[in-house]
Amino acid sequence: AQSVTQLGSHVSVSEGALVLLRCNYSSSVPPYLFWYVQYPNQGLQLLLKYTSAATLVKGINGFEAEFKKSETSFHLTKPSAHMSDAAEYFCAVSGTGSNYKLTFGKGTLLTVNP
Amino acid sequence: SQTIHQWPATLVQPVGSPLSLECTVEGTSNPNLYWYRQAAGRGLQLLFYSVGIGQISSEVPQNLSASRPQDRQFILSSKKLLLSDSGFYLCAWSDGGRETDTQYFGPGTRLTVL
Repeated sequence: AQSVTQLGSHVSVSEGALVLLRCNYSSSVPPYLFWYVQYPNQGLQLLLKYTSAATLVKGINGFEAEFKKSETSFHLTKPSAHMSDAAEYFCAVSGTGSNYKLTFGKGTLLTVNP
Repeated sequence: SQTIHQWPATLVQPVGSPLSLECTVEGTSNPNLYWYRQAAGRGLQLLFYSVGIGQISSEVPQNLSASRPQDRQFILSSKKLLLSDSGFYLCAWSDGGRETDTQYFGPGTRLTVL
């Protein structure tokens, strides 16, 4: 079975500050990990994904995430927050034998203050 | 390019009434299709997925059902809605075949059961 824990349901940062959204996973098989972003009343958009190639993954809108097997983590970062980054962020995991299913965390709402 | 449509965008239904939500995908063939429900503070819950016409897998026992009458059409139904069916319903598609495949989400349907 696979699971994802997102630490912090709500993160607030100032514009220009570092964004750090935490994700820890549990998986009995090598995981594939995803970060999605959701703006209010919209669907989810893929930010980036880890598929066992490079452990540092770069995504859209200046976001990146690093896969750390020893820490079972896949934290999302952005060096400088922009007002347009305010949204909800979801971490998800799949893996061999998961039958294409993604297991999502409960999400982290990011607020960016001017 | 591929696009995914969902309708209606919003829906208010009384308890005990039937439900039909539709999802269609354009620009691809034989996609994997998914229905998710998103409730506040609970992340995304996979309800159904389909790897082909007439092939439906259910993840959560409930009063909802899904059908795939055509290759790129996925329908979520209920004979009698419950209050607990309220939520944001998201349809998604992927190329299928691999757990590393990205799932692409539609704009969602906001369902309120009164």
